[in-house]
Amino acid sequence: GAVVSQHPSRVICKSGTSVKIECRSLDFQATTMFWYRQFPKQSLMLMATSNEGSKATYEQGVEKDKFLINHASLTLSTLTVTSAHPEDSSFYICSARGRTEAFFGQGTRLTVV
Amino acid sequence: GENVEQHPSTLSVQEGDSAVIKCTYSDSASNYFPWYKQELGKGPQLIIDIRSNVGEKKDQRIAVTLNKTAKHFSLHITETQPEDSAVYFCAASPPSGYSTLTFGKGTMLLVSP
Repeated sequence: GAVVSQHPSRVICKSGTSVKIECRSLDFQATTMFWYRQFPKQSLMLMATSNEGSKATYEQGVEKDKFLINHASLTLSTLTVTSAHPEDSSFYICSARGRTEAFFGQGTRLTVV
Repeated sequence: GENVEQHPSTLSVQEGDSAVIKCTYSDSASNYFPWYKQELGKGPQLIIDIRSNVGEKKDQRIAVTLNKTAKHFSLHITETQPEDSAVYFCAASPPSGYSTLTFGKGTMLLVSP
């Protein structure tokens, strides 16, 4: 079946630095990918929709200048958390849809110290 | 937009018992309903899905039923095992590959040996 690979799985960074998370669709081309954030014991919260070759669409309340999304190819989308602060610590998950099914990456645990 | 309600939030069963998780949705245009299993620290994994032209679908110990008139769908796990313990999410979406999924809040299933 289709596979979505996300890297890194875990990252610790200092406050004020930037962190890049990669999401790759391995078995299919994904013109659209999705980025989610998940707090402990809560559901997935959609942050933005990443569109290949164009600007991402951000959900209300998500700062586009803080969470930079680049979808430069049909198999790769990146999320960069800029000037990270401790409140940005969370579990970030990407997703890509095939013809119908949606597959998720392994998630990235970001800890900002 | 779509709204998905999921119940219960926590479900504890004994090994070998059956478990049922129920979801309702609001948008009659939705016609794709996947279920995901999420283990601690990992991304969600698709376990079964159903489309609105089907009323029931089975895959070994897992089954999903859909009542499109009532706008609800359910996940049934029979002969539960400790390894079934995880958080389960239902979701709904239109069939388009460019549409995101709307998730329920999740059900934590605990299977005791």
